[in-house]
Amino acid sequence: DTGVSQNPRHKITKRGQNVTFRCDPISEHNRLYWYRQTLGQGPEFLTYFQNEAQLEKSRLLSDRFSAERPKGSFSTLEIQRTEQGDSAMYLCASSESSGGPTDTQYFGPGTRLTVL
Amino acid sequence: AQKVTQAQTEISVVEKEDVTLDCVYETRDTTYYLFWYKQPPSGELVFLIRRNSFDEQNEISGRYSWNFQKSTSSFNFTITASQVVDSAVYFCALSETGANNLFFGTGTRLTVIP
Repeated sequence: DTGVSQNPRHKITKRGQNVTFRCDPISEHNRLYWYRQTLGQGPEFLTYFQNEAQLEKSRLLSDRFSAERPKGSFSTLEIQRTEQGDSAMYLCASSESSGGPTDTQYFGPGTRLTVL
Repeated sequence: AQKVTQAQTEISVVEKEDVTLDCVYETRDTTYYLFWYKQPPSGELVFLIRRNSFDEQNEISGRYSWNFQKSTSSFNFTITASQVVDSAVYFCALSETGANNLFFGTGTRLTVIP
């Protein structure tokens, strides 16, 4: 059973450019999450999908950010007009809905974004 | 409002010493879940344990043990006979009922010196 994978692992871009990251969850997991982690901090929640439906967005997710999960499998996170403050590690996690209130989330290796 | 405090920013121990990582949380919910994750230098968060608020039994898994005390809102993590491979940042996290996200503390960086 493969874990959560994310691509690319590293991305360097110039301010103002658009970037897109991809996350492939664990195959039987129907829930997918995006988090952002800045240096010295814990991950902060950005958004959550149940299958293809985006059910929750954090206020951290400005209108320059958009996430999709078109077929309920992989997900993409796009940042438009990147700013230096967007430099961070972007983490993806997935979980299998057990019908209970909280599922265990399994994380991918992250995509480290550097905005010059 | 939920809050997770990991007051220890960095800890260094010599190999084979025991070490305890502290986690104190705040929540208004009576049902919630607590987690510990390990983040080695590679960056991937590794799940270690999940505990619900109704289960206050301590848990032991190999060299790892967890002490959950609702009375002090703490969920501390002890590594016995530490090893160099234990060097990582450890995060405590909280999830409230109905929440779909994890709320993380700021982490504790553990360095085990050979």
